[in-house]
Amino acid sequence: AQTVTQSQPEMSVQEAETVTLSCTYDTSENNYYLFWYKQPPSRQMILVIRQEAYKQQNATENRFSVNFQKAAKSFSLKISDSQLGDTAMYFCAFIISGTYKYIFGTGTRLKVLA
Amino acid sequence: DTAVSQTPKYLVTQMGNDKSIKCEQNLGHDTMYWYKQDSKKFLKIMFSYNNKELIINETVPNRFSPKSPDKAHLNLHINSLELGDSAVYFCASSPQSSFLGAPTDTQYFGPGTRLTVL
Repeated sequence: AQTVTQSQPEMSVQEAETVTLSCTYDTSENNYYLFWYKQPPSRQMILVIRQEAYKQQNATENRFSVNFQKAAKSFSLKISDSQLGDTAMYFCAFIISGTYKYIFGTGTRLKVLA
Repeated sequence: DTAVSQTPKYLVTQMGNDKSIKCEQNLGHDTMYWYKQDSKKFLKIMFSYNNKELIINETVPNRFSPKSPDKAHLNLHINSLELGDSAVYFCASSPQSSFLGAPTDTQYFGPGTRLTVL
């Protein structure tokens, strides 16, 4: 069965510092897509970053980047220069190519401290 | 120009009642979803529709009945509401891969509907 594990229920970081959120997943498939979603207190789910499993290069979106280790089935999210607006729940997710089911982790609650 | 909209945003009702939540997307996507997020923030898929056809039904009580009148709409009707149904319900949509015939790209979420059953 496909699963996603986020082992850090809560984290905090000082404003302007860097923080890394961990995510591991389990699948026997080779082709899939990985995502990080952000859910601020407004509860809207917002895509932060996505990664195609067939790409070796790590995805980057401004202050957000991932460390994708396919062999280790690891997909961590690094947030640089943390801002107060980054305070949110962060969910790791993936979907196997050709299927319709996205698998979500249990989330990491991140607090950015002033 | 909201991409995925849900109505209502808040719903408070008594146990035993029947209620509906509506979802519409104007992105031209082929696939739509319903998720339930419980008080611990765990996000669980309930249903998925592709071009009005039911694709995923994740062991959801049959008190929950999705309806997709067209591919831009996916409504959720809940009969005989129970206390345990209290949660935030999210609708989402995603485009379809022309190559694989299934969604591989990003999901776009609605704002959520907070359902409280008293």
